[in-house]
Amino acid sequence: RKEVEQDPGPFNVPEGATVAFNCTYSNSASQSFFWYRQDCRKEPKLLMSVYSSGNEDGRFTAQLNRASQYISLLIRDSKLSDSATYLCVVEDAGNMLTFGGGTRLMVKP
Amino acid sequence: DGGITQSPKYLFRKEGQNVTLSCEQNLNHDAMYWYRQDPGQGLRLIYYSQIVNDFQKGDIAEGYSVSREKKESFPLTVTSAQKNPTAFYLCASSGWERGLYTEAFFGQGTRLTVV
Repeated sequence: RKEVEQDPGPFNVPEGATVAFNCTYSNSASQSFFWYRQDCRKEPKLLMSVYSSGNEDGRFTAQLNRASQYISLLIRDSKLSDSATYLCVVEDAGNMLTFGGGTRLMVKP
Repeated sequence: DGGITQSPKYLFRKEGQNVTLSCEQNLNHDAMYWYRQDPGQGLRLIYYSQIVNDFQKGDIAEGYSVSREKKESFPLTVTSAQKNPTAFYLCASSGWERGLYTEAFFGQGTRLTVV
């Protein structure tokens, strides 16, 4: 089993839709969680950190569910510019950061 | 400005040649990572280092080598033993605060093409 797993998608949604991604992790002792965004042919960039209490940044909300060992990213009122690949990152058993394979989002007009 | 710099941005290599990709950071980060990304695929870990003079193999280390002689630098050598080296290579670094790794920062990447 992979340490960090994501549905690769693509998720095709219309503008204005709400879309949610989940990311499961295997190490119950993981402490650090992040969501990154990667545009085509570019480096990944931090979208937001995920805190135990959950956090929100504008249209984006991240949640952590320790009992079920997953993190989620919710995007409200999707924009065309949200089209990208979203990567989750978890601190793994070796105390290094492990990336999921990414979920591709395509927002259509 | 603090950041992480990769060079060159584009690199062409003849078959049978070794090439070295540079990665430098001035963020005072302890951990550094090298990833490979093929078109339409996710990131695959090649090597990582958590401290100077120490590094560990990732999932796809065969045909690659690294060194970590300085905290700021983590060069990657793609050797002739790597059979399919054409890919996008990303270097990243992360810090350590209060017992946890902080978020990773990435360089802009190096596109390596074998000609």
